[in-house]
Amino acid sequence: NAGVTQTPKFRVLKTGQSMTLLCAQDMNHEYMYWYRQDPGMGLRLIHYSVGEGTTAKGEVPDGYNVSRLKKQNFLLGLESAAPSQTSVYFCASSYSLWSADVNTEAFFGQGTRLTVV
Amino acid sequence: KQEVTQIPAALSVPEGENLVLNCSFTDSAIYNLQWFRQDPGKGLTSLLLIQSSQREQTSGRLNASLDKSSGRSTLYIAASQPGDSATYLCAVRPKETSGSRLTFGEGTQLTVNP
Repeated sequence: NAGVTQTPKFRVLKTGQSMTLLCAQDMNHEYMYWYRQDPGMGLRLIHYSVGEGTTAKGEVPDGYNVSRLKKQNFLLGLESAAPSQTSVYFCASSYSLWSADVNTEAFFGQGTRLTVV
Repeated sequence: KQEVTQIPAALSVPEGENLVLNCSFTDSAIYNLQWFRQDPGKGLTSLLLIQSSQREQTSGRLNASLDKSSGRSTLYIAASQPGDSATYLCAVRPKETSGSRLTFGEGTQLTVNP
């Protein structure tokens, strides 16, 4: 059971370049999340999804886009990378709170360390 | 808006000590609270989940309690070991977002000295 898998694990981008981070989960979870983690600022929610085909903005959505075309995948895109987007990005997933008789713990991937120069 | 605070930000203890980590939240309207552990350079590992109707959960040497009305949770670690050294984070699922989101504290960095 792989859980939550993030690709890639490390990446260096030049300012203005674009990239897509991929998150895949094999637990049939409805909810998926993208967070960024920065020193002194904790984990901040970028975007999230409550089901296939849905997305919603979190606390810090500017400069990012997301898509959830398949239930198991949640993609995070940076269209024009900026140095302020240098961070560690985490994907997470969980069952919906409205699912019956399931464990609603959130599970996290191992992170993607992104540096924008 | 729900805010989660963890105090202290850092804690250093000798091996074998029992210790308590604190988590407080401003809005008691939550569905559940989850404790995580994060090792340096790694992702978050779930430790315990407490539903809003529960008072505590236990797993091995870990015991988490929840006092929803006062907006507090504690994580008790018994007989601490150097391998417990990590950052511990708590997160709540606020009812204001229908439980679809998690709000995190900034964590407590724990060091257990041999």
